[in-house]
Amino acid sequence: GESVGLHLPTLSVQEGDNSIINCAYSNSASDYFIWYKQESGKGPQFIIDIRSNMDKRQGQRVTVLLNKTVKHLSLQIAATQPGDSAVYFCAEINSGNTPLVFGKGTRLSVIA
Amino acid sequence: ETGVTQSPTHLIKTRGQQVTLRCSSQSGHNTVSWYQQALGQGPQFIFQYYREEENGRGNFPPRFSGLQFPNYSSELNVNALELDDSALYLCASSAGRFTEAFFGQGTRLTVV
Repeated sequence: GESVGLHLPTLSVQEGDNSIINCAYSNSASDYFIWYKQESGKGPQFIIDIRSNMDKRQGQRVTVLLNKTVKHLSLQIAATQPGDSAVYFCAEINSGNTPLVFGKGTRLSVIA
Repeated sequence: ETGVTQSPTHLIKTRGQQVTLRCSSQSGHNTVSWYQQALGQGPQFIFQYYREEENGRGNFPPRFSGLQFPNYSSELNVNALELDDSALYLCASSAGRFTEAFFGQGTRLTVV
């Protein structure tokens, strides 16, 4: 079946350090992945995406890595800041019935 | 700001009642998806509307229904509310069925 999950439910990092949030997916047919950030009381906010024909994509302070061999996705945040504290979700899109399948999320806490 | 607006922001209903939630999509987007997010969970796909037609549905009972209007705004209707329907309801708009989705702030529904 289709599922997207996360390895760690919580992650605490020191301000200024790099953060790595991991995600596993099971549907090898998925061809598009998105990372979302959700702050308390708000809707998910698009961070970065990657298509299955890519291994790596960089944005401003964020990098997404895709390993199709082991069906693993990661989000790297450089120089983590207090404003990065939120729940992060990975989501996959496949050509099946569900446009976006979300995992349960990882809560990132930044320690000042 | 994503340009996706939802109303109301908060709502309290009694078990057995009916509720209508509204969403205005981002300009230029013809696809609207609805998600239910229980506390501490990732968003769960309810259904999607593309050019006024339902175009995909998740594992939700028929008492969850929707509508999309010619201006691509959308409504989510839930009949015979149950306590477990208490959640954050998210609307996301996109330029197509399998492209990145931008979320609104959500409607917090509490059923008592």
